[in-house]
Amino acid sequence: DSGVTQTPKHLITATGQRVTLRCSPRSGDLSVYWYQQSLDQGLQFLIQYYNGEERAKGNILERFSAQQFPDLHSELNLSSLELGDSALYFCASSVGSGEVDTEAFFGQGTRLTVV
Amino acid sequence: DQQVKQNSPSLSVQEGRISILNCDYTNSMFDYFLWYKKYPAEGPTFLISISSIKDKNEDGRFTVFLNKSAKHLSLHIVPSQPGDSAVYFCAGNYGQNFVFGPGTRLSVLP
Repeated sequence: DSGVTQTPKHLITATGQRVTLRCSPRSGDLSVYWYQQSLDQGLQFLIQYYNGEERAKGNILERFSAQQFPDLHSELNLSSLELGDSALYFCASSVGSGEVDTEAFFGQGTRLTVV
Repeated sequence: DQQVKQNSPSLSVQEGRISILNCDYTNSMFDYFLWYKKYPAEGPTFLISISSIKDKNEDGRFTVFLNKSAKHLSLHIVPSQPGDSAVYFCAGNYGQNFVFGPGTRLSVLP
């Protein structure tokens, strides 16, 4: 158990819909990272929040957004869903802002299936 | 542009032998590298890391080698065990994020 909790574990929804994925970081971790893993692809970095503020942005679509709340949990919102959005979405947390020598601890992921 | 490459999508090794997983990177800004292991339906788990100022780091059966001039790192698992069968991701770290390779699926055959 990494200490990072993601809910729900599975999600099936129709195209055009909107979903919210939730992540609770390890106790004491200030950074939350979101990643997408599609079939046959590596982990793609989407976005990072550090202590409530957006810190870094990766390959995140405009239809996707995220936020980190005062209690440090984070939500990833995916809207106007397309079939190609079907993937595993991982959340990770780390103590610092992502500087050198910081390991990130991953949650078990949310499997999103868009039908 | 793939900053981290793992050119072998899969690798099969006999139990007890050495597994060598390779990773190449293009971004000279990386100053820390990590290996993650991922079982099906689970999140990746941290395995071993290496700072760019080192060329080798060892932890039990796992050793990571870094060749900065070649922008290449490798993970050695000796001896390989069936429980090592998983997908292994190499990642480079710089600034505030981690860049992952596509992963190599290791199968350790009994």
